[in-house]
Amino acid sequence: SQWGEENLQALSIQEGEDVTMNCSYKTYTTVVHWYRQDSGRGPALIILIRSNEREKRSGRLRATLDTSSQSSSLSITAAQCEDTAVYFCATDANNNNAPRFGAGTKLTVKP
Amino acid sequence: EAGVTQSPRYAVLQEGQAVSFWCDPISGHDTLYWYQQPRDQGPQLLVYFRDEAVIDNSQLPSDRFSAVRPKGTNSTLKIQSAKQGDTATYLCASSFPDNNQDTQYFGPGTRLLVL
Repeated sequence: SQWGEENLQALSIQEGEDVTMNCSYKTYTTVVHWYRQDSGRGPALIILIRSNEREKRSGRLRATLDTSSQSSSLSITAAQCEDTAVYFCATDANNNNAPRFGAGTKLTVKP
Repeated sequence: EAGVTQSPRYAVLQEGQAVSFWCDPISGHDTLYWYQQPRDQGPQLLVYFRDEAVIDNSQLPSDRFSAVRPKGTNSTLKIQSAKQGDTATYLCASSFPDNNQDTQYFGPGTRLLVL
């Protein structure tokens, strides 16, 4: 398996809090994609970080990548109720441009 | 711009029945992917195409699953003799290399329930 964790994780926070989600992977990748999936919809890419980048920001999102430990994180600052979704990381296993997904984190942001 | 469209949105079958899923990618996207997403799990790649050619079908259960993309545009994923373990959402995605970034765009998926 590509991934260190196999089961969907669950996080519940209050609106306004910061949150960080982590993923670890087993095989080399040149890029880590972070997706969010809303109920009843397909995943949507929210941020992409390449192996030559340690950090990437987009609005309230911040992704980090540590290639030495083969891990990545996604942080959301001042979470809002509309951030409630399942978040996945995905890597390009074997550099063949077909992202492989981890188990995901189900984030619930309560008002 | 129209997104990736899939049909049907839902399917309910008895074990042993066959079903086909259709995917219409974003116009101009050369790469098309099929994923299986069981409940509470991440999407798992089944097969992907570049134009009409299969690039990787190593995770496609070849005894009962088949996928085609004959003209390099629309695609069909078929399950012969469905099993309860096939219950999942089937996602189609498409992409086009843009500045060395293959961003995937996903359709809404087809939810399959096998009784």
